[in-house]
Amino acid sequence: EAGVTQFPSHSVIEKGQTVTLRCDPISGHDNLYWYRRVMGKEIKFLLHFVKESKQDESGMPNNRFLAERTGGTYSTLKVQPAELEDSGVYFCASSPRGALNTEAFFGQGTRLTVV
Amino acid sequence: AQSVAQPEDQVNVAEGNPLTVKCTYSVSGNPYLFWYVQYPNRGLQFLLKYITGDNLVKGSYGFEAEFNKSQTSFHLKKPSALVSDSALYFCAVRDMSDDYKLSFGAGTTVTVRA
Repeated sequence: EAGVTQFPSHSVIEKGQTVTLRCDPISGHDNLYWYRRVMGKEIKFLLHFVKESKQDESGMPNNRFLAERTGGTYSTLKVQPAELEDSGVYFCASSPRGALNTEAFFGQGTRLTVV
Repeated sequence: AQSVAQPEDQVNVAEGNPLTVKCTYSVSGNPYLFWYVQYPNRGLQFLLKYITGDNLVKGSYGFEAEFNKSQTSFHLKKPSALVSDSALYFCAVRDMSDDYKLSFGAGTTVTVRA
């Protein structure tokens, strides 16, 4: 079974540019999450999809971040325009629907560097 | 609100010695607790979880963790560390009555020397 896949693995962009991160969850997982780790700090929740619906986007830093999950399959996270403080590792995770006690499965992350 | 503290940024042990990575948590209700590991250039990998029942939980690669409600702790342990256990370890908590959102600690870098 394929795991959670994220593209690209690394991205270096200039301040003011746009970047789009992609996440392909495990097939059949209704829950999809985005998290971010800024250098040396804790991994922070960004948002949670249930299928194509945003269940919780309380962790999104500001309106420069836009997440979508059209069709309830893969998800994209767009940062426009990027700022220096957006640098970090962006993780995507997925889990099956219904079971709160089920662990989330994480991808390898996208390391974003804004210069 | 929920939160996790990992008081040690780094833990260094010799191969064959016991390994402990500390974690304390705070939740308003009852917790679900998780440990994840990140090996170099890899994603977060699930190690083990506490949901309910026995306070001692066994997981992958010989790791175990003990849930202590009175101390609000969930320390990760391995009786005999291997060089290959060198990695970044994250503790995470979710409130049972909350939604699916996980709160993570800042991570502990474990280095096992040969």
